[in-house]
Formats: sequence, C-alpha cells, structure tokens
Amino acid sequence: EVVLTQSPGTLSLSPGERATLSCRASQRVSNNYLAWYQQKPGQAPRLLIYVASSRAAGVPDRFSGSGSGTDFTLTISRLEPEDFAVYYCNQYGSSPLSFGGGTKVEIK
Amino acid sequence: QVQLQESGPGLVKPSETLSLTCTVSGDYMSGYYWGWIRQPPGKGLDYIGWIYYGTTNYNPSLKSRVTISVDTSKNQFSLRLTSVTAADTAVYFCARAVDSRPFDYWGQGTLVSVSS
Repeated sequence: EVVLTQSPGTLSLSPGERATLSCRASQRVSNNYLAWYQQKPGQAPRLLIYVASSRAAGVPDRFSGSGSGTDFTLTISRLEPEDFAVYYCNQYGSSPLSFGGGTKVEIK
Repeated sequence: QVQLQESGPGLVKPSETLSLTCTVSGDYMSGYYWGWIRQPPGKGLDYIGWIYYGTTNYNPSLKSRVTISVDTSKNQFSLRLTSVTAADTAVYFCARAVDSRPFDYWGQGTLVSVSS
C-alpha cells in the first residue's frame, strides 16, 4: 500500500500569500497518478488536480500541481478568501487507493 | 451534470450491518468506476472500494466486511459493511471515476453513527 504523508499539518497564511503544500509517497506513484482535493467544512472533496499537474475543469489557474515519483507539491499562487480549507493528496495509480492525512490552510 | 446522492440509516447498532445506497442522476452508469470513501468525524479520507461493471476492488483493511454492488436498471450502487463497531462511525461518500482518473464527482455525504 502506498502511504502518503502530507506536510505541514497546518499552514497559517494571509490572503494574497503563496501556499506550498507537500505530499510524499512511501513508494513511487504509478504513472504519477496523484490528485489533489480541496475540502471545506460540511462539503464533499472537490477535485483540483489530477495526474500530478493537470487542473480539473473549472479550477482557477492560481492552483498548480507539480512533482513526480514520490514527491509532489500543490501551490496556490495567491490565496483568495475562499481557498482557506483542508487539502488532501490522493494516489490512484495502485491498489488500494490512498489519501494523505491532509493539510489545513488557515487564515493567519 | 451528473449528481450523486447517498441514502440510508443514520444510526446502526454495533455488530449489525451498515447499508447505504448511492443514486446517480444526469448520466448513465456504464463505463465508470463507482466508489465509496468515508471520513470519520474530524479526520481524513479513507478509501473503502469501487465497482466497475462486475469487478470490485476493496481496501484490504475492510475487505472481509465490505460488499459493493450495482443496479444499473435503477441507476444505483450500494455499500454493505458487516459487523460494524464505533470505529465505523463516519461520513460516507459515494463518488464516480473515469478510467485512469481520480474520483471527480462526489455525493454530499451521509453521516452514519454506530451506537447502541
């Protein structure tokens, strides 16, 4: 099973700042099938990024994904008020699918 | 626009069976992976399993207790989890995926509590 470790656990930033979230896999993620989700309280996760760097439909271009192999990054170039949420990485390249523990981006 | 909606009891007794249904609207079910993911209160996301036509894939940690089935005539798929304990208390989400893609459409989730 691929274990995903996200860091930091919490990121305290101000609107307009840049956010950099990390996701490290315990083994290589097959085909770089790594996704990022955003989740707000009481809501289902929303797909942001798939195959490490492709934005899902309707996702603003301030969100970008990068990385390959075992190390992946989600960058939010300039935080908007609606971006404060919890972010999860997810590998879907090997069975069983797995999710990271999440990074909470909170308002400083 | 495809929509998914979970339904089922919000309270299940310990040792009994949790049963949930996900109703899909706005698209046919053929050609997609249909999955279940859960989230214990205040915690992260846990993969339960998926079904693709008649093939299933389950998280090994739950495999002995989980069954996912599909009824395309009703545009529904279902989750059964047997011998539940308090550790199975969670919000349960149903979701859809395309081959080689992650889950893209999700239901709103339904809270299931396990308590006597």
